[in-house]
Amino acid sequence: AQSVTQLDSHVSVSEGTPVLLRCNYSSSYSPSLFWYVQHPNKGLQLLLKYTSAATLVKGINGFEAEFKKSETSFHLTKPSAHMSDAAEYFCVVSDRSKMNTGNQFYFGTGTSLTVIP
Amino acid sequence: ETGVTQSPTHLIKTRGQQVTLRCSSQSGHNTVSWYQQALGQGPQFIFQYYREEENGRGNFPPRFSGLQFPNYSSELNVNALELDDSALYLCASSLRDLLYGYTFGSGTRLTVV
Repeated sequence: AQSVTQLDSHVSVSEGTPVLLRCNYSSSYSPSLFWYVQHPNKGLQLLLKYTSAATLVKGINGFEAEFKKSETSFHLTKPSAHMSDAAEYFCVVSDRSKMNTGNQFYFGTGTSLTVIP
Repeated sequence: ETGVTQSPTHLIKTRGQQVTLRCSSQSGHNTVSWYQQALGQGPQFIFQYYREEENGRGNFPPRFSGLQFPNYSSELNVNALELDDSALYLCASSLRDLLYGYTFGSGTRLTVV
């Protein structure tokens, strides 16, 4: 079974300081992992994805994440937070072995990021 | 390249009524999935359509049904609405293997009173 645990429901950082949003996953097979961002009253935007290539994945807006199989983690980081980063962030796991029977995303419960000026 | 568009953006229905939500896929995508996002929660998978047939379903009752059309657009129908159906409904299009992830629409906010 697949599942995702986002370890912090709320994270608050000062503008210009690093961001760390934590995610642990559980997957029976080789997972694909994603981070999505959701701004208020907007849809979900893909930040980055891991699909079994390089374990350090770079995404948009300066975000990156590292896939650590031994720790079953896929934490999202950014060196310097910007005010526009304030949003809800979702870690997502997908089981690539189920492509032919209805592939789906399993979302975490989300982490709300607040950026303090 | 157009993204995913959903309509309407908001609507209010009465308990027991039926509702139809619509979605136009991103150009080049052949798979459509629907998700329900309750307030303060992550999205939950409702079902997925590929080549006009249901290709997987989450833990939702049969009163949630869907259609996919030859142009890959899609509808989500919910019968006998309940108060707990109030949520943001997200449509997402993709290629079948999801290798590149979904493109999500902005959603339809459904309120059941």
